Amino acid sequence: AQSVTQLGSHVSVSEGALVLLRCNYSSSVPPYLFWYVQYPNQGLQLLLKYTTGATLVKGINGFEAEFKKSETSFHLTKPSAHMSDAAEYFCAVSESGGGNKLTFGTGTQLKVEL
Amino acid sequence: DAGITQSPRHKVTETGTPVTLRCHQTENHRYMYWYRQDPGHGLRLIHYSYGVKDTDKGEVSDGYSVSRSKTEDFLLTLESATSSQTSVYFCAISGGSTWGAGELFFGEGSRLTVL
Repeated sequence: AQSVTQLGSHVSVSEGALVLLRCNYSSSVPPYLFWYVQYPNQGLQLLLKYTTGATLVKGINGFEAEFKKSETSFHLTKPSAHMSDAAEYFCAVSESGGGNKLTFGTGTQLKVEL
Repeated sequence: DAGITQSPRHKVTETGTPVTLRCHQTENHRYMYWYRQDPGHGLRLIHYSYGVKDTDKGEVSDGYSVSRSKTEDFLLTLESATSSQTSVYFCAISGGSTWGAGELFFGEGSRLTVL
């Protein structure tokens, strides 16, 4: 069975500071990994994904994540936070060939302060 | 944006009543999903469909049933609503030729309150 653990249900950063949201996964087969973002009263939007190939993946709005198999991690980073980044972020895993079923983490609420 | 709509967007009902939520897509995608979102739990898969009349259970399927008689529609039914089913329900779709493996597109959610 696959699972995802997101460390820190709430993260607060200053505008312009580094954003680091942590995600660790468990999967019995090579995983596909995703980060989604949810703005208030909206559905989830895909930020970025890792399937195969390059382990550093770049997404929208300046976010990127690195797949580290040895650490079973897929942490999300952004060099400089912007007020518009305030949202809830979800890490998700699916098993390759698993029919596109995603298992989500519990989410991390990002607050950006002036 | 992919065409996916959920109805109703908001519903208040009483314990014991049946409730049906509808998800409609205009993308002709194969896979459709129902998730529920609750604080502290993230999103949890209720049921999913991999084609017309082909459905399967997710991790929190008890108390829910689904039907998919057409590619574009995926219905979620609560036969007898309970307060523990108060939640925000999201429909998602995937499987289009322009999308990668596992990538989901979500509807805007249906907020259900069971009194």
